[in-house]
Amino acid sequence: DTAVSQTPKYLVTQMGNDKSIKCEQNLGHDTMYWYKQDSKKFLKIMFSYNNKELIINETVPNRFSPKSPDKAHLNLHINSLELGDSAVYFCASSQDATGLGSYGYTFGSGTRLTVV
Amino acid sequence: AQSVTQLGSHVSVSEGALVLLRCNYSSSVPPYLFWYVQYPNQGLQLLLKYTTGATLVKGINGFEAEFKKSETSFHLTIPSAHMSDAAEYFCAVKNGGATNKLIFGTGTLLAVQP
Repeated sequence: DTAVSQTPKYLVTQMGNDKSIKCEQNLGHDTMYWYKQDSKKFLKIMFSYNNKELIINETVPNRFSPKSPDKAHLNLHINSLELGDSAVYFCASSQDATGLGSYGYTFGSGTRLTVV
Repeated sequence: AQSVTQLGSHVSVSEGALVLLRCNYSSSVPPYLFWYVQYPNQGLQLLLKYTTGATLVKGINGFEAEFKKSETSFHLTIPSAHMSDAAEYFCAVKNGGATNKLIFGTGTLLAVQP
């Protein structure tokens, strides 16, 4: 069973389109995250939800909107896609908001977004 | 503000060699430290973490890292490199508290030559 699963794995789309990435975790964790990994492999947090409540909201364009319908799901919607949005987006979860549980943060396998 | 510096973006070793991947952090309070590994086209996997207690932390496959407060370091040691260890390695730091973020270094790409 996949612990943190993201769909789709690859996403190629044109500039200006709106797209969504979905994430689900079956670990029973309370906290979920979105990270962006750029072309130089640098990872930066974008958002975090704890029990469906937004707790971290980094300086991210408001074209990016996370939604957590329940604590097992965290989706990322991106409006008006730009070339610079091309990156790998990772979903992650942790037992609680401290991230200090036995397994730390558990990451999904990523969604490679290419904007053309 | 917290930050992580990983010296050496690329490290190349021969199979069987000892590997030291360097990580230095900046934190105003005692940190929690992590090492993650990313294999090609995969997500990140936790190798080991330091929260409190023993400063020498052991992970899977003999990997270990030592927290040295005086040097603000958390270097990762791979005792004997295997081809399968070729991957990107990320060091990360966070402070305590419910909403503090996990801050990643820029990663070190390890290549293992036969």
